[in-house]
Amino acid sequence: DTAVSQTPKYLVTQMGNDKSIKCEQNLGHDTMYWYKQDSKKFLKIMFSYNNKELIINETVPNRFSPKSPDKAHLNLHINSLELGDSAVYFCASSQAAGGTSYGYTFGSGTRLTVV
Amino acid sequence: AQSVAQPEDQVNVAEGNPLTVKCTYSVSGNPYLFWYVQYPNRGLQFLLKYITGDNLVKGSYGFEAEFNKSQTSFHLKKPSALVSDSALYFCAVRETGGYQKVTFGTGTKLQVIP
Repeated sequence: DTAVSQTPKYLVTQMGNDKSIKCEQNLGHDTMYWYKQDSKKFLKIMFSYNNKELIINETVPNRFSPKSPDKAHLNLHINSLELGDSAVYFCASSQAAGGTSYGYTFGSGTRLTVV
Repeated sequence: AQSVAQPEDQVNVAEGNPLTVKCTYSVSGNPYLFWYVQYPNRGLQFLLKYITGDNLVKGSYGFEAEFNKSQTSFHLKKPSALVSDSALYFCAVRETGGYQKVTFGTGTKLQVIP
């Protein structure tokens, strides 16, 4: 049973479209995150939710909007996709904010390609 | 703001030899430090952490890391490298207080040569 699952695994779409990536964790963790990994493998945090409350909101375009309907789910919606949005997006979760206890558990990623 | 540096983009080591992947950090207050590994087309996996206590931390797959406060370093080590250790390794630091944001380094590709 996958601990942190993301869908879809691959997403190819045209510029200007709107798309969503879904994430679910079955670990009972309180905190969830979205990270973006660019082509150089650099990882940058985008958002973090703790018990459905947004606690970290880094400087990302407001075309990106996270939504957490409950603490097991954190979705990412992207409006008006641009070429520069092409990247791998990782969802992660941790037992508490900061992952001090057992670190983060990452999903396997969603490779977004904007054409 | 905290930061972490991984000075080597790639480390090559022969199978059976000891390996070291370097990491230095900058953070106000006591550091919380982590190592993660990423295999191709996979998410990151937690290897080990340093919160407090013994400067030598043991983790998964035979890896360990040495915390050195005076040198602000947290190098990842393994006594005998395996070909299967070839992957991308990330060092990370968690901020003290606030919402405990974790910042990742730029990653080091480890290549173990048979």
